[in-house]
Amino acid sequence: EPEVTQTPSHQVTQMGQEVILRCVPISNHLYFYWYRQILGQKVEFLVSFYNNEISEKSEIFDDQFSVERPDGSNFTLKIRSTKLEDSAMYFCASGRLAGPNEQFFGPGTRLTVL
Amino acid sequence: AQSVSQHNHHVILSEAASLELGCNYSYGGTVNLFWYVQYPGQHLQLLLKYFSGDPLVKGIKGFEAEFIKSKFSFNLRKPSVQWSDTAEYFCAVAISSGSARQLTFGSGTQLTVLP
Repeated sequence: EPEVTQTPSHQVTQMGQEVILRCVPISNHLYFYWYRQILGQKVEFLVSFYNNEISEKSEIFDDQFSVERPDGSNFTLKIRSTKLEDSAMYFCASGRLAGPNEQFFGPGTRLTVL
Repeated sequence: AQSVSQHNHHVILSEAASLELGCNYSYGGTVNLFWYVQYPGQHLQLLLKYFSGDPLVKGIKGFEAEFIKSKFSFNLRKPSVQWSDTAEYFCAVAISSGSARQLTFGSGTQLTVLP
C-alpha cells in the first residue's frame, strides 16, 4: 500500500538556521499539506498546495516558511531562520482529490531547535 | 474560525469494555468529519469519515461514529475494545470553501486499554 514518506525523522538545528523538511507524497495525489504539532498541543494546519501554488495557509505560515515541489516527486517545507518555538513534529499529508477527501499522513519529522 | 473539542484527554479501559470518545465542533455550515488514530510510533491513519448521508458511519477495526447535527457532535464508539486499540485518537473537521480542505484537529484523546 502506498504511503507518504518524510525525511529526516528527526532534525536538530540551532536557532537562526535554515531547515528543509522533505516529504514524498503518494504518487497519484495532487493535493499536498503540511501540519505541525507542538508537544502537548493540537495538530495545526500550516499550508495546502495544489497545481504548484499555495491554496490555503494559516496565520502560522508566515514569511519564514515556504513550500516547494521541486521535482514532481518531493514536497518540501523550508523554515528560513528557525526559532525555538518552531520545535514541533511536522506532518506532511497528501490527497488525491479536492473536496471531501481523505488526507494520508506521513510519519512526521521531529524538529528540535536549540 | 472553526474549532474542535475533545473532552477526554486520557481514557483508561479494560479489555472488552465499551468505548465512547466525545467530539464537538463549532461551525454552523456544512462539515466533513473525520476520526484519525495514531498508534505508538506510527503515523496518523484514518479510522472513519462522514461526508453526507447516513449519520452513523462505520470504520475500520469495529469503530463507528454518529454525526448529530443538532449537537454539533461526532462521537466515536466501539462496543468492545482490545489491548491493540491503545493509541491516540484525533477528531478533525474540514470546512474550507477552497479546493483544498484544511483539517482542523481536536487536541486528541489518549486511550489506554489494559489487558
